[in-house]
Amino acid sequence: EAGVTQFPSHSVIEKGQTVTLRCDPISGHDNLYWYRRVMGKEIKFLLHFVKESKQDESGMPNNRFLAERTGGTYSTLKVQPAELEDSGVYFCASSQTLQETQYFGPGTRLLVL
Amino acid sequence: DQQVKQNSPSLSVQEGRISILNCDYTNSMFDYFLWYKKYPAEGPTFLISISSIKDKNEDGRFTVFLNKSAKHLSLHIVPSQPGDSAVYFCAAPDSNYQLIWGAGTKLIIKP
Repeated sequence: EAGVTQFPSHSVIEKGQTVTLRCDPISGHDNLYWYRRVMGKEIKFLLHFVKESKQDESGMPNNRFLAERTGGTYSTLKVQPAELEDSGVYFCASSQTLQETQYFGPGTRLLVL
Repeated sequence: DQQVKQNSPSLSVQEGRISILNCDYTNSMFDYFLWYKKYPAEGPTFLISISSIKDKNEDGRFTVFLNKSAKHLSLHIVPSQPGDSAVYFCAAPDSNYQLIWGAGTKLIIKP
């Protein structure tokens, strides 16, 4: 069974540009989460999808961040326009049910210059 | 307000000895706790969990202890092996099942 995959693995962009991160959850997992780790600090929750619906997006930093999960399969997280403080590692996780273990992808390392 | 805290950024242990990683929390409503292990350039990997109704859970070389009165948990690895060198995160799901994370402890196993 394939795990959670994320693309790209790394992205280096200039301030003001747009970047789109993609996450493919484990097949059959309805729950999809986005987390972010900035500058070696603790990992922080961004948002949670149940199928195609946003269950909770209370962790999204501001309206420059837009997440979608059309069709309830893969998800994208777009940052537009990117700012320096958006640099960090963006992790995606999925779980079959709310109570079950969340499985993480390898992360996308974003560097905004 | 950090609800889950790991106060040791790093820990160095001799191979074969016991590694003890600590975690403190402030929210007494957490139902269970998880430990994740993370290698460089990889995502966190689930390691072991403990329910708030238990005080110990063991899985092979890994044991997690929970002291609810002290709001403290610890992960014991014995014997420590070189492959255990990684960053260890303590986490707990909030009422919406979002994971609240500690800052992580980098464990270095010395040969």
